[in-house]
Amino acid sequence: AQKVTQAQTEISVVEKEDVTLDCVYETRDTTYYLFWYKQPPSGELVFLIRRNSFDEQNEISGRYSWNFQKSTSSFNFTITASQVVDSAVYFCALSEFQGGKLIFGQGTELSVKP
Amino acid sequence: DAMVIQNPRYQVTQFGKPVTLSCSQTLNHNVMYWYQQKSSQAPKLLFHYYDKDFNNEADTPDNFQSRRPNTSFCFLDIRSPGLGDAAMYLCATSRDGSGGANYGYTFGSGTRLTVV
Repeated sequence: AQKVTQAQTEISVVEKEDVTLDCVYETRDTTYYLFWYKQPPSGELVFLIRRNSFDEQNEISGRYSWNFQKSTSSFNFTITASQVVDSAVYFCALSEFQGGKLIFGQGTELSVKP
Repeated sequence: DAMVIQNPRYQVTQFGKPVTLSCSQTLNHNVMYWYQQKSSQAPKLLFHYYDKDFNNEADTPDNFQSRRPNTSFCFLDIRSPGLGDAAMYLCATSRDGSGGANYGYTFGSGTRLTVV
């Protein structure tokens, strides 16, 4: 069965600090997809990134970067020089090629204080 | 723009009074999903349709039903809402059932349901 664990329930940082959100997953499939979503207080899910299981290259998009390590089943998300607008709940999610259902971790609530 | 639209954005219903939430998509995706997200929790999959094939999650209460009359529309029916059903309901689509291989998942903005 697939499972996603985000051990950090809440993180609070001061603006301009770097912050890393952890994500650990479990799956039996060899082909799977990992996602990060941002959920601001308004409630909609904002897609940030999708990574397939065959691509372990790290990715950087502006202040955002992601570190995918199959050896530790982790897909961590780092925000560099955090800003108040980064305050939100962030979800890591997993879908298996066979079945296709998207399963979410419990989410990490990030609070960035001025 | 092609998208997933959920109406209404906010819905208030009375305890025990049937309510229907709607989702429409212009993406022509084969798969449509309904998620329930209670306060401070992760979205939880209730069921999904692959074309006309309905797939219920094992722990989805019988109180929740769904209809997909055509490719574009999918409805979530709550037959007798209880206070515990107050939540954000999110609709999502994917092109096929391959785990988001093609185009990933597209989410609507959600319907926030209040039960009074």
